[in-house]
Amino acid sequence: DARVTQTPRHKVTEMGQEVTMRCQPILGHNTVFWYRQTMMQGLELLAYFRNRAPLDDSGMPKDRFSAEMPDATLATLKIQPSEPRDSAVYFCASGLALARGGARGYTFGSGTRLTVV
Amino acid sequence: KNEVEQSPQNLTAQEGEFITINCSYSVGISALHWLQQHPGGGIVSLFMLSSGKKKHGRLIATINIQEKHSSLHITASHPRDSAVYICAVLNRDDKIIFGKGTRLHILP
Repeated sequence: DARVTQTPRHKVTEMGQEVTMRCQPILGHNTVFWYRQTMMQGLELLAYFRNRAPLDDSGMPKDRFSAEMPDATLATLKIQPSEPRDSAVYFCASGLALARGGARGYTFGSGTRLTVV
Repeated sequence: KNEVEQSPQNLTAQEGEFITINCSYSVGISALHWLQQHPGGGIVSLFMLSSGKKKHGRLIATINIQEKHSSLHITASHPRDSAVYICAVLNRDDKIIFGKGTRLHILP
């Protein structure tokens, strides 16, 4: 089965350090989402890309977070500097958005569990 | 008020019972997604629907676009169905908006 691959699965880092999370979307998918899940807030959309172009990153703290798609096979989410409140599970999802009215489906990665101490 | 509301928030039932989880939304959507998240944390897509009804095994999802409501049903529930079920809608701007989830616990 095709899957969305996220690395690393777990990351523990000290406050102030840079963290980079990676996502390999399913080949052929043209839409990539980054989400964050915490106990308090549930799932929150951070950013998403269509055909590698960022469409919306309004959910992301701009001063420390950045999301990029250097190519169609890789999406990255970077936090610099990291803070304890960034501790969460970060999910990537990819899907194929077709023409208006077309079917869509999204597949989630297993997530990166980030702990900032 | 959240744009996507799920009910109930928590549900405990005995094995074999028929389960219904509801999702109401207040925005225009192009599709609605039911997701399952097990205690291990992984998220699995169950259904994506934009109209009518879909069935997969013991799971049935329905959506009423006019009423802005969807239901997820589980027939002959089993302890392995215990998970958090999340309703998510894809709005007209292609954003996914999540409900808070329904935590289901099936007792043997």
